[in-house]
Amino acid sequence: DAGITQSPRHKVTETGTPVTLRCHQTENHRYMYWYRQDPGHGLRLIHYSYGVKDTDKGEVSDGYSVSRSKTEDFLLTLESATSSQTSVYFCAISETRGRGYTFGSGTRLTVV
Amino acid sequence: TQLLEQSPQFLSIQEGENLTVYCNSSSVFSSLQWYRQEPGEGPVLLVTVVTGGEVKKLKRLTFQFGDARKDSSLHITAAQPGDTGLYLCAGSNSGGSNYKLTFGKGTLLTVNP
Repeated sequence: DAGITQSPRHKVTETGTPVTLRCHQTENHRYMYWYRQDPGHGLRLIHYSYGVKDTDKGEVSDGYSVSRSKTEDFLLTLESATSSQTSVYFCAISETRGRGYTFGSGTRLTVV
Repeated sequence: TQLLEQSPQFLSIQEGENLTVYCNSSSVFSSLQWYRQEPGEGPVLLVTVVTGGEVKKLKRLTFQFGDARKDSSLHITAAQPGDTGLYLCAGSNSGGSNYKLTFGKGTLLTVNP
């Protein structure tokens, strides 16, 4: 398969708690992305990374932080989860910028 | 902010019919990609088009990039139930520090047997 895995696949958490989602790749791709997908909004970029320790904000970054200490791992943290962050989160990787994304299978997060 | 508008939003057809879905923008893109997403899974890349007027075929799927590189279409011939899914287009611009794709909201296709 594509060599990208997300964990966990499903999570239920309480409002106000911190949550970390993990994206792991075995492709050695430089670029990694976190998206959320919601009905009526499509895929929206949260944060992205263009190398180890090099990250930047996307269009819906408020309330989220990321870290990339190794090429293969890109972590997304919800600092204090809110109900509006209930969503399906996708990680994606690409070898060259702007081309050919490979997506993970997603994490369904429910904040209650 | 660059926007990609996809139409129709929903499409339900019978097996064997042909269909076309559209992806339009007022912005110029250096490349455009099409993805298909099935329930519970991430989007899967179908094709990338990079040249204005380019046509690519993938079995029964035909993809076209507009001459001005602002729009694209996906045509499916003799649709099958296995074609059911959410079809997403995504555009990219070259230059600068753009590392991101802009996604449309998708066309949800249902092919009934």
